[in-house]
Amino acid sequence: AQSVSQHNHHVILSEAASLELGCNYSYGGTVNLFWYVQYPGQHLQLLLKYFSGDPLVKGIKGFEAEFIKSKFSFNLRKPSVQWSDTAEYFCAALSGGSYIPTFGRGTSLIVHP
Amino acid sequence: ETGVTQTPRHLVMGMTNKKSLKCEQHLGHNAMYWYKQSAKKPLELMFVYNFKEQTENNSVPSRFSPECPNSSHLFLHLHTLQPEDSALYLCASSQDAGTSGYPSYEQYFGPGTRLTVT
Repeated sequence: AQSVSQHNHHVILSEAASLELGCNYSYGGTVNLFWYVQYPGQHLQLLLKYFSGDPLVKGIKGFEAEFIKSKFSFNLRKPSVQWSDTAEYFCAALSGGSYIPTFGRGTSLIVHP
Repeated sequence: ETGVTQTPRHLVMGMTNKKSLKCEQHLGHNAMYWYKQSAKKPLELMFVYNFKEQTENNSVPSRFSPECPNSSHLFLHLHTLQPEDSALYLCASSQDAGTSGYPSYEQYFGPGTRLTVT
């Protein structure tokens, strides 16, 4: 069965620091990848997604993620975080032919002002 | 406005009560999902419906009973729950290829129902 690993469970940063959250998936075939974000008290929402094409994907609020097939990775990055980026971040993967995603366990990001 | 609404937003129930959670999506999607989100645990997929047919049941105890009368509505009927069932229950929808041929696959989530079992 497919699995998605997020190795950083808790990340604490100061404003303006750079962010990279790791995500690795186990499926070897065609895969669609997502990052979702859940701000405190708000619903889970899509941050960005990769289906095909340019492996560097840009999302909302200055976030980007890079799909590296050889490493089975889809790490999320932001060059300079803000206090408002404090949230829970979830990586998810869809294996080819399926519409039901597998979610990672999430990474809690706290940004200190 | 997410396009996916859930009611109630908060629910406190005793172990012998029966209650239902409701989810409605206004996005024209054909797949709907129930997830359980507990503190310090991964998001748990509970049930999946596609075109009103249940396609996934992840070994969920029978005290949780889903119902999907149409592609826009999803219910989760609860009875004789346990305190460990206290969690945030999330509903989501997505567009599978189905008959449209244009899947988006990204999931749209509702705000969740915060359930406390006493």
